[in-house]
Amino acid sequence: GAVVSQHPSWVICKSGTSVKIECRSLDFQATTMFWYRQFPKQSLMLMATSNEGSKATYEQGVEKDKFLINHASLTLSTLTVTSAHPEDSSFYICSPRGRPTDTQYFGPGTRLTVL
Amino acid sequence: TQLLEQSPQFLSIQEGENLTVYCNSSSVFSSLQWYRQEPGEGPVLLVTVVTGGEVKKLKRLTFQFGDARKDSSLHITAAQPGDTGLYLCAGAAGAGSYQLTFGKGTKLSVIP
Repeated sequence: GAVVSQHPSWVICKSGTSVKIECRSLDFQATTMFWYRQFPKQSLMLMATSNEGSKATYEQGVEKDKFLINHASLTLSTLTVTSAHPEDSSFYICSPRGRPTDTQYFGPGTRLTVL
Repeated sequence: TQLLEQSPQFLSIQEGENLTVYCNSSSVFSSLQWYRQEPGEGPVLLVTVVTGGEVKKLKRLTFQFGDARKDSSLHITAAQPGDTGLYLCAGAAGAGSYQLTFGKGTKLSVIP
């Protein structure tokens, strides 16, 4: 299967700071990127969908100015949590889909803890 | 809003026992996927079912898609400690839809 990496795997930050999470698809081209978050003992909730080179589409209730998504290339997408607060503490998972197999994969996740 | 209800939420069984996990919805899905997720990791795809009534087998795991494509089940035969994990079902709304709706998961513990 395809390899998807996320960096960092975990991060602890102070309230009010911004955190950038990178998602890389190492052996396929991610034409579509999904970003999910998963709170403890909860399932994955879709935050936003982006197509390479286009602006992301955000799900209802997800603030686009707070969760900045960049999908400028077919191998890299970033999610920046701006002015993070404790309630943003969660497990963030990227999920790229694209060429050549059009299969959807999931990254290993990034654990964000905001103090 | 499409919802997927998984049951049971938690399951603890002895090694060698059989178990079934259910995924139900009032909505029709064009396809349904089952994932397994380990703590601190992303979900890993186990299977995708597309056709109503479809049955797929993956070693000791048997997946079934309901005839009406509203529900699915995962049956594990002779569970092993290595089967321990969170099992998630996820449905795609329409043909060609890439957006998945996830169930809350079933946390399985297999005791040696």
